[in-house]
Amino acid sequence: AQSVTQLGSHVSVSEGALVLLRCNYSSSVPPYLFWYVQYPNQGLQLLLKYTSAATLVKGINGFEAEFKKSETSFHLTKPSAHMSDAAEYFCAVSDIGGSNYKLTFGKGTLLTVNP
Amino acid sequence: SQTIHQWPATLVQPVGSPLSLECTVEGTSNPNLYWYRQAAGRGLQLLFYSVGIGQISSEVPQNLSASRPQDRQFILSSKKLLLSDSGFYLCAWSPNWDYNEQFFGPGTRLTVL
Repeated sequence: AQSVTQLGSHVSVSEGALVLLRCNYSSSVPPYLFWYVQYPNQGLQLLLKYTSAATLVKGINGFEAEFKKSETSFHLTKPSAHMSDAAEYFCAVSDIGGSNYKLTFGKGTLLTVNP
Repeated sequence: SQTIHQWPATLVQPVGSPLSLECTVEGTSNPNLYWYRQAAGRGLQLLFYSVGIGQISSEVPQNLSASRPQDRQFILSSKKLLLSDSGFYLCAWSPNWDYNEQFFGPGTRLTVL
């Protein structure tokens, strides 16, 4: 069974500082991986996705993530945090192909950006 | 392009009352459809998913039910709400092929008093 672990339920950074949100997964087959962002009282929005092409994936709003198979990780980074990045971030995994119609989500990391 | 709608946006209901939340998707056909719940501080909980009309899979036993009367319509219901049903309900869809990327609706905030 797949699982996703997001280290740190709450991360706080200063405006302009590096953002690093951690995600580790376990999957019995090569996975597809996703990062979603959720602003208060809104639905989830896809930031970026890894689908077995390039291991460094660039997404919206200046975020990127690197798939590292040896570390089973898919950490999300952004070089310089903006106040508007304050939100909750979810990592998710899906097995490739087959009849699996579901994503497995991590428990989320709340990002706070301090002025 | 595809869009997903949920209504109502907010709802306050007394304990023991019925519930009906509706989700519709436009611009695609035969999508997979999902209902999630977010309770405070508890992440995303998958409640139901559907791969076709009349096909519902339940992930968590509870007093909620789901139905899919039309290809792009997904309804979440309850006959009698409990306090513990309060939360933020999200509907999502995914194409029925490839890598199951899911697209989320705006959500419904349900408060049971």
